[in-house]
Amino acid sequence: AQKVTQAQTEISVVEKEDVTLDCVYETRDTTYYLFWYKQPPSGELVFLIRRNSFDEQNEISGRYSWNFQKSTSSFNFTITASQVVDSAVYFCALSYNNAGNMLTFGGGTRLMVKP
Amino acid sequence: KAGVTQTPRYLIKTRGQQVTLSCSPISGHRSVSWYQQTPGQGLQFLFEYFSETQRNKGNFPGRFSGRQFSNSRSEMNVSTLELGDSALYLCASSLKTASGTDTQYFGPGTRLTVL
Repeated sequence: AQKVTQAQTEISVVEKEDVTLDCVYETRDTTYYLFWYKQPPSGELVFLIRRNSFDEQNEISGRYSWNFQKSTSSFNFTITASQVVDSAVYFCALSYNNAGNMLTFGGGTRLMVKP
Repeated sequence: KAGVTQTPRYLIKTRGQQVTLSCSPISGHRSVSWYQQTPGQGLQFLFEYFSETQRNKGNFPGRFSGRQFSNSRSEMNVSTLELGDSALYLCASSLKTASGTDTQYFGPGTRLTVL
């Protein structure tokens, strides 16, 4: 069975602070895919990143960076110099090879960035 | 390029009624998935369709059903509505099916309230 845990239900930071959102996953599959999505108040899930299990390279995209560590089954997401517009709920998700597009989501982390 | 569209955006029904939600995928996308989001259960996978065939189904009762048309548009139906069916229903589309997992792009959702 697959499981995704986002232990931080809510994080509050002041603008310009760095913040890391944790994601821990469980799967028995050797080939799997990890995702991060952002859900602003409008409700639509916005795709941020996809990573497959064979690619452990960390990735940076502007103020966003992701740290994938298979040894600890973690796929953490860091926002550098946070902004008010980053306020949203962030979801980590997992899918495995041959599962089609069935995503298992974590419970989400609500990030509030205060001015 | 237009994103995933869902209609209606908001819906109010009473217990026992049935409801049909519609989803139009991104042009060229052939896979459509549906998810239910509630405060208590979070984001849960309902089902996925590809080429008019259901490929995967989540753990939901038979009251939840769906279909996909030849133009890839999809509908989901919930019969005999219960209070617990109140949720945000999200549709996602992806480009193709393969042995791996494609990146899914989500629509804005349909918020269903059952009274």
